[in-house]
Amino acid sequence: KNEVEQSPQNLTAQEGEFITINCSYSVGISALHWLQQHPGGGIVSLFMLSSGKKKHGRLIATINIQEKHSSLHITASHPRDSAVYICEGSGSRLTFGEGTQLTVNP
Amino acid sequence: NAGVTQTPKFQVLKTGQSMTLQCAQDMNHEYMSWYRQDPGMGLRLIHYSVGAGITDQGEVPNGYNVSRSTTEDFPLRLLSAAPSQTSVYFCASSYSVGPSTDTQYFGPGTRLTVL
Repeated sequence: KNEVEQSPQNLTAQEGEFITINCSYSVGISALHWLQQHPGGGIVSLFMLSSGKKKHGRLIATINIQEKHSSLHITASHPRDSAVYICEGSGSRLTFGEGTQLTVNP
Repeated sequence: NAGVTQTPKFQVLKTGQSMTLQCAQDMNHEYMSWYRQDPGMGLRLIHYSVGAGITDQGEVPNGYNVSRSTTEDFPLRLLSAAPSQTSVYFCASSYSVGPSTDTQYFGPGTRLTVL
């Protein structure tokens, strides 16, 4: 069983919708990273979280340490947000979720 | 800064051939790592390095060698390519020795096909 589980695997939304991607992780993971992989393949780090909440533009990431759960929210989604979003857990080693393929239609 | 660069972007090999995937960063990062990405599997750590002269195995090291003679470069060598090594390979770096509290910067990836 993977130490990091993401849901959903695929997500299709209309432009303007509020989007949530979830990540659950196991004991031993001390920090969560959210990554974005564009259709061209490049990977960009969006957030690193060990507690609380972070916001950057239309992106918001939250983490609940007690529940071992993190969410990535996108407000007012846009077609350019279409990408794979990957949750990465850091502990004694790095563990990655399988990614969520997000498609935002105009 | 160029960030993290990888060459080549695409490569096709025959079974049994050897090759080196190049990775370089110009951010003076101590931590560098290699991942492979396969459909349905997520990113998996192959090898990593916490500084020049120091390397260690990750989750899937078999069939790969690495070295870290300088802070900037971290090449990944396939000694005898196998079809199971067909994948997309990403190199990444971060400033701190451990990536748990630091942003990782990823290279653009190398798409490798082994026939």
